[in-house]
Amino acid sequence: AIQMTQSPSSLSASIGDTVTITCRASQGIRNDLGWYQQKPGKAPKLLIYAASSLQSGVPSRFSGSGSGTDFTLTISSLHPEDFATYYCLQDYDFPGSFGQGTKLEIK
Amino acid sequence: QVQLQESGPGLVKPSQTLSLTCTVSGGSISNGSYYWSWIRQPAGKGLECIGRMYMSGSTNYNPSLERRVTMSGDTSKNQFSLKLTSVTAADTAVYYCARGADNGGSIDSWGQGTLVTVSS
Repeated sequence: AIQMTQSPSSLSASIGDTVTITCRASQGIRNDLGWYQQKPGKAPKLLIYAASSLQSGVPSRFSGSGSGTDFTLTISSLHPEDFATYYCLQDYDFPGSFGQGTKLEIK
Repeated sequence: QVQLQESGPGLVKPSQTLSLTCTVSGGSISNGSYYWSWIRQPAGKGLECIGRMYMSGSTNYNPSLERRVTMSGDTSKNQFSLKLTSVTAADTAVYYCARGADNGGSIDSWGQGTLVTVSS
């Protein structure tokens, strides 16, 4: 099974900052990767699919890049509502596997 | 837009079978463009894929759960289901049903989640 290693596990930032979260796959997964935002008590929300495609309705300050084994999620100009936990998901290898999550906290 | 809703017992005894149903509205589970998933999350922990299925009959289960998991669908009711046998306290989690598409890590619709506690 493909393992997804996500870093950092937690991150403190201020409103207006730009932050980057990374996911590394244990083997190549082409671009079969999505990024999700989860707030407490809520289901995850799809932000990015196919590594770099922005899901409809998601603000353009969210962007994704990468292919193969290394992927990044960048959030530019942090807004208050962006403080949440973020997960990557690979589905190259069914049924898929998530990274461990990154908790983004306000500094 | 499609909506998903989980239902089932919130409390299951150890060694028994956990059974959940996901009712889909606003879209057909027979749509071959999508697959249907179960995902769980223990309190304070990360997300774990349990399995995914296409209504054509193809299913894929998490290898760590494969011996205990069965997913099935009922197109007449627009529902799909999860059965997890021989549960233990480690199976206590919020269980989500969800819809995915084959375009790269894309699970675009989720149920609100249902907490299942395994306890005697």
